[in-house]
Order: sequence, then structure tokens, then C-alpha cells
Amino acid sequence: LAKTTQPISMDSYEGQEVNITCSHNNIATNDYITWYQQFPSQGPRFIIQGYKTKVTNEVASLFIPADRKSSTLSLPRVSLSDTAVYYCLVATAYSSASKIIFGSGTRLSIRP
Amino acid sequence: GAVVSQHPSWVICKSGTSVKIECRSLDFQATTMFWYRQFPKQSLMLMATSNEGSKATYEQGVEKDKFLINHASLTLSTLTVTSAHPEDSSFYICSARMDSPDTQYFGPGTRLTVL
Repeated sequence: LAKTTQPISMDSYEGQEVNITCSHNNIATNDYITWYQQFPSQGPRFIIQGYKTKVTNEVASLFIPADRKSSTLSLPRVSLSDTAVYYCLVATAYSSASKIIFGSGTRLSIRP
Repeated sequence: GAVVSQHPSWVICKSGTSVKIECRSLDFQATTMFWYRQFPKQSLMLMATSNEGSKATYEQGVEKDKFLINHASLTLSTLTVTSAHPEDSSFYICSARMDSPDTQYFGPGTRLTVL
């Protein structure tokens, strides 16, 4: 299982773009990257998933460089409601033995 | 789509009793489901992997006789905490794995308080 490393915490202000970078140096060829958001006393919510290059959906973008040893979650124009813990996870695609192991996550605080 | 539910959302029980938590994938079938536990201010800790029709695989340090897992169908997995004690009080979260695309979706969690 590829280990992930993220900043423990980040602060930003409403309306700003926030980029959270995750390193996963020993990512394997068949591994993909998924980001989740978690609010207190709730289950993690799927944000975005990708394998390489750039993925964009209605809430975020995911940038993955060619070597795939890191990835960056980009949240455009954050609001107070984006205050949460963000987890970067790596798992092996289409493997019956695949499982997700959570790291410490990044605690994002958005201020007015 | 991709909704996972848990029941109950919270439960309070006396020490020594058993508690069952259900995890359902509402709009997709999940061959594999996972059970996690989360203590305050900490990350999620994987307890076990539940595969439909077979025995669950437990992570190191998790007592399989205390945390009974049954994955009876492609949409339902249950976790039973047997003879619960105050130290079992925690937030239990399940996830269901969608095959295509290969993605895990999480339930809302169950808060267990053992008195």
C-alpha cells in the first residue's frame, strides 16, 4: 500500500483558491488517487478521483504530474462550508485485495 | 447515485450488551464493504474488509470474535459489537466499493456510546 503524506493543517480565506498537495512516492502502476472530505461526525464524502494528468468535476480539480508521486487537490473559491478534513488516498484499481488506509488528512480552516 | 446508508445513526447501550450496525448500498451492488472506526480528532482506522458470501478479513489487532461481520447480500453488511464495553465507544463508519469505476463510498457513520 502506498503511504501518503499531507500537511496537517491549512488556513485560507473565503473566495480564495486552495491547493492541498499530497505525496505518494511509492505509488504503483495500477494505483489511483482519491480525495475525500470529512465534516465532524459524518462519513467521508467522495470529492474526486484520478490516475494521471488532470481531472476536473463540479467541485474540484485534481492535478497529477507525470511521475505520479504527488497530487494536488484544488478547490476554487472556497467558502466557510469548505472547512473540513481532506484525505488523500491511494488504492489499487480493480483488485479484490485492495483496501484504503487513511492517513492523518489535512485540516482546512476557512476564515471570513 | 452512490449512496451508502447506516443504521442506526447513533446508539447508547449498557456495558455487556451487543449492538448491531447495518450498512447498505442503496443504488449499487457492492461485493466488498469495509468497516472503520474513528476516535475523536483522529483519522479513520480500518477494522475489517467484508466480502459478500465469505468470511471477513480483519486488520491486525481487531478481535474477530468481538466485532462480528456478516455480508449476507450485495447490498448489506452488518457489524455486531459483542459484549460492548465503554472503550468500544466510537464512531463506526462503513464503506461500499463500487466496481466500475472502482471507488469507495462511505456511509454517514454510527455513533456508539457504551455506558
